[in-house]
Formats: sequence, structure tokens, C-alpha cells
Amino acid sequence: ETGVTQSPTHLIKTRGQQVTLRCSSQSGHNTVSWYQQALGQGPQFIFQYYREEENGRGNFPPRFSGLQFPNYSSELNVNALELDDSALYLCASGESYTGELFFGEGSRLTVL
Amino acid sequence: DQQVKQNSPSLSVQEGRISILNCDYTNSMFDYFLWYKKYPAEGPTFLISISSIKDKNEDGRFTVFLNKSAKHLSLHIVPSQPGDSAVYFCAANPQGAQKLVFGQGTRLTINP
Repeated sequence: ETGVTQSPTHLIKTRGQQVTLRCSSQSGHNTVSWYQQALGQGPQFIFQYYREEENGRGNFPPRFSGLQFPNYSSELNVNALELDDSALYLCASGESYTGELFFGEGSRLTVL
Repeated sequence: DQQVKQNSPSLSVQEGRISILNCDYTNSMFDYFLWYKKYPAEGPTFLISISSIKDKNEDGRFTVFLNKSAKHLSLHIVPSQPGDSAVYFCAANPQGAQKLVFGQGTRLTINP
């Protein structure tokens, strides 16, 4: 068990709506990252938070935003949903310099 | 711009034989390379990593080889077992930042 949990596991939204995905990181990990995995692709880095501040962002527009809270929980918010936002969203935490991350099971978002 | 590439979408191997999964990268600044394994409906789980200053790392049945001059790494699994059937992702960690860059994945099927 990795200790990283995500909710909801599945959800369906319509284009233009907003969505919030939640993650509870492994206790003791100050760094949390979010990844988007489109069908048939590898996970793609969205952004990372360290001690409640954004600490790097991948090639994603500002309508993707996040929050990290002191209790090792975090959120990914996506505004103005587009069809291409349909994907598996993965939360990961870790403290290893090597990049060993612990991933949650993911939230599968479908945008209609 | 795909910095990490896995050119084989799938691989089928007989149980007991060696499985070899390949990965190529373009960025010389990557510090660590990692392999993750993913079962359906689960998040990726860390398998093995290698530092850019090494050319081999072994952990039980799993060995990762790094050829820096060719910008190529491979994962060897021997002997292959049915439980090894999964999607394998190669990932690179730039300068210890934990902002992993993933390949597209290779689906490994071990046949009894």
C-alpha cells in the first residue's frame, strides 16, 4: 500500500464545467505532484507543490491549478473543461532525490 | 518534443525467458532514470532506478542497463513470470527535481 489515496475514482463532466480532484499524500512527504495520463500515453507532469507552494509546472495552461494543505492533502482544479482533458489524473508524493514517487490509483475524468 | 521514448508499444515473452524493455532519451541533463510498472486500475509503482553515473543496477530478477553515449536504457527481467504482465514505463528525473518525464509505455505480456 502506497499511502496515497485519490478521490473520486471516476467522474464525468461536460465541456466548460469545472472539476476538483483530491489527493491525500503519504504522511511525511512534503512534495506532491500531479500527472495527466491520456489514453495510450505515459503520465505527463502537470505541476508540483512543496510545502504548500507551487514548485514547478509542466506544459499545462493556467486553467489547471492546485492547492496543497498542511495535512498532506492536495487538490487539482481544472476550469473550463475541454474534451482533451479526458484522462487519468495521478497524484504522487515522494521525498527521494532519485525520483522514486508513490502514486495513487488515479481519478479518471471523462469530459463530454 | 518527446524526450523519453519507448518505441515498442507491446512485447510478448514466454514464461521463464528473458524480457527486455527498451527506452531512449534525448536530454543529457537527466540525473536518474527509473522504471515503473502499472497494472490496470492501479497507479504506477516504482520498480528500479539507475543513476546517470552508473551503467548497471540490479535488484533480484530486474536489471537496468544505461548506455549514456547512446542515450539508451533497458530493463531486463529474468526469469519472466506471469505476474510481470503489466505496462512498463521508463521515466527520467531531471536534476533531482522529481518532475518525471515518462515514456509512452510498453505492455509486457508473459505467456505460460
